[in-house]
Amino acid sequence: DVVLTQTPPTLSATIGQSVSISCRSSQSLLDSDGDTYLNWLLQRPGQSPQLLIYSVSNLESGVPNRFSGSGSETDFTLKISGVEAEDLGVYYCMQATHAPWTFGGGTKLELK
Amino acid sequence: QVKLQQSGAELVKPGASVKLSCKTSGYTFSTSYMSWFKQIPGQSIEWIGMIYAGDGGTGYNQKFKGKATLTVDTSSSTAYMDLSSLTTEDSAVYFCARDDRRWFAYWGQGTLVTVSS
Repeated sequence: DVVLTQTPPTLSATIGQSVSISCRSSQSLLDSDGDTYLNWLLQRPGQSPQLLIYSVSNLESGVPNRFSGSGSETDFTLKISGVEAEDLGVYYCMQATHAPWTFGGGTKLELK
Repeated sequence: QVKLQQSGAELVKPGASVKLSCKTSGYTFSTSYMSWFKQIPGQSIEWIGMIYAGDGGTGYNQKFKGKATLTVDTSSSTAYMDLSSLTTEDSAVYFCARDDRRWFAYWGQGTLVTVSS
């Protein structure tokens, strides 16, 4: 199975600060169809996961544009340009290129 | 709007089975895919498998073969997951999510399954 390693496991930020989360894959996530199925989700406490970014860099409808995704092959990054209070929770990267789909261990974003 | 409404929390005894439901509305269920996920509180998320509502075709994570069985009822736009031979390791929150070309924009609220004697 593909292993996704997220760093850091915990991130402390102040409101307005810009932060980045890294997701590294144990193998390339470039699919034979040319797409790269790397998604980013946010899970707020007690809630279901929420899709933020799909296929590396595509912003899901309704998600604020302070969120952005980048990367290729095995190295990916989620950036939040100006953290807001509603952004707190656990961020997960998830790959759906190689079955079974797998998730990273999560990055908890906390207020400093 | 798209909604996925999951069934309520379950308390079940070891060795028993349980059937979870995910009732959908707001889109054409019969031509869609649904995935199911497991999350032990405080831990990351695992993908269990997926089902295509059009023909009931399934794909499973090898880890959950024999544990989970996915089915659909297109007449009620509902997806189901049967979990069998439950142990304490199956205690978790289970989510359904609409599978849109391998991204998951719509999730159910989750069903907590507690396995305890």
